Amino acid sequence: EIVLTQSPATLSLSPGERATLSCRASQSISTYLAWYQQKPGQAPRLLIYDASNRATGIPARFSGSGSGTDFTLTISSLEPEDFALYYCQQRLQWPLTFGGGTRVEIK
Amino acid sequence: EVQLVESGGGLVRPGESLRLSCAASGFSFSRCEMTWVRQAPGKGLEWVSAIGGGGDWKNYADSVKGRFTISRDNSKNTLYLQMNSLRAEDTAQYYCAARGLYYQYYMDVWGKGITVTVSS
Repeated sequence: EIVLTQSPATLSLSPGERATLSCRASQSISTYLAWYQQKPGQAPRLLIYDASNRATGIPARFSGSGSGTDFTLTISSLEPEDFALYYCQQRLQWPLTFGGGTRVEIK
Repeated sequence: EVQLVESGGGLVRPGESLRLSCAASGFSFSRCEMTWVRQAPGKGLEWVSAIGGGGDWKNYADSVKGRFTISRDNSKNTLYLQMNSLRAEDTAQYYCAARGLYYQYYMDVWGKGITVTVSS
């Protein structure tokens, strides 16, 4: 099973600041990685697929990068609606696995 | 409008069974792989099971293998999860998600989820 480790667990930032979230895979997954955003009481929403491609409707302030085992989600300037939980997920092999999540909270 | 709506959740005792349904609309259901993902209270996301568009293949997480069965009825645009021998650790919000509707191999459309509570 591919283990995804996200860091930090919590990121405390102010609106307008840059957020950098990390996801590390236990083995190479090429670019077969997605990022999801989840707000309280809501289902996850796909933000980024194939490591660096934004899903339709996702603002340009969200960007993804990385390949192999190290991946990054960057939010260039935090908007109030961006404070949420973020998960990475690999689709290289079964079982599909998620990282433990990073909470982006208001400082 | 593309939509997934889960139903069938509730409170059951350990060892009992429950069947979840997920009604799909607004897209060609039979062409889409479908998955179940769960989230225990206060915890992260856990993939549970997936099924091919024609029901020709199925995959399960080790934590549910042998107890849960995924199926679909493409004539009814509905996905199912039969859950047997339920345990307290199966308590979670269960989401159905379409995999690859817009982005191949990714869970790109999600239902709002349904709550399953296993408690004596």
